Amino acid sequence: DAKTTQPTSMDCAEGRAANLPCNHSTISGNEYVYWYRQIHSQGPQYIIHGLKNNETNEMASLIITEDRKSSTLILPHATLRDTAVYYCIPNYGGSQGNLIFGKGTKLSVKP
Amino acid sequence: NAGVMQNPRHLVRRRGQEARLRCSPMKGHSHVYWYRQLPEEGLKFMVYLQKENIIDESGMPKERFSAEFPKEGPSILRIQQVVRGDSAAYFCASSPTRSTNEKLFFGSGTQLSVL
Repeated sequence: DAKTTQPTSMDCAEGRAANLPCNHSTISGNEYVYWYRQIHSQGPQYIIHGLKNNETNEMASLIITEDRKSSTLILPHATLRDTAVYYCIPNYGGSQGNLIFGKGTKLSVKP
Repeated sequence: NAGVMQNPRHLVRRRGQEARLRCSPMKGHSHVYWYRQLPEEGLKFMVYLQKENIIDESGMPKERFSAEFPKEGPSILRIQQVVRGDSAAYFCASSPTRSTNEKLFFGSGTQLSVL
């Protein structure tokens, strides 16, 4: 399984873009990059995932480098409710379900 | 369309008692996963079940823990003779199929406290 490196914590001003980096240099060619977040005391919430191309949905954008060794999750206009721990998870997909949650990045959105 | 439902939300047990945690997947989902989150730690995969079958139990402790997902009714995670170290948040997730690009939908969890 690919190992990931994420900053322990980050701050972001409300209304600004939050850019959360993740290094996954050992990712294999058929592993997707999934992003989940966990708001305090709640279950994890899926955000977005991608394989090679950049992806965008109603929650966020995912930028994956061409060599796939790193990615960045972008929350375009962070709100206070986006304060959470964000997890970058390489995974083969296919509902194998064995997601490896590391320590993630604690994002604090401040007024 | 209700999300993944877990109950109870909080469960208190004394050492040696049994704990039964329930999980009703989203409508139409036949795949269920259980995760455990110990205090100040990340989530750890425990078991993956499809209706009436255990697919992957590589994360389950070898003793005292069991899981089932019967043809009718919720999935049950059962912990026998609980110890203080079992105190944790237990999360259930579900997905509709076993296909590529599948994401998991998580419930709000059961917080187990062992006295």
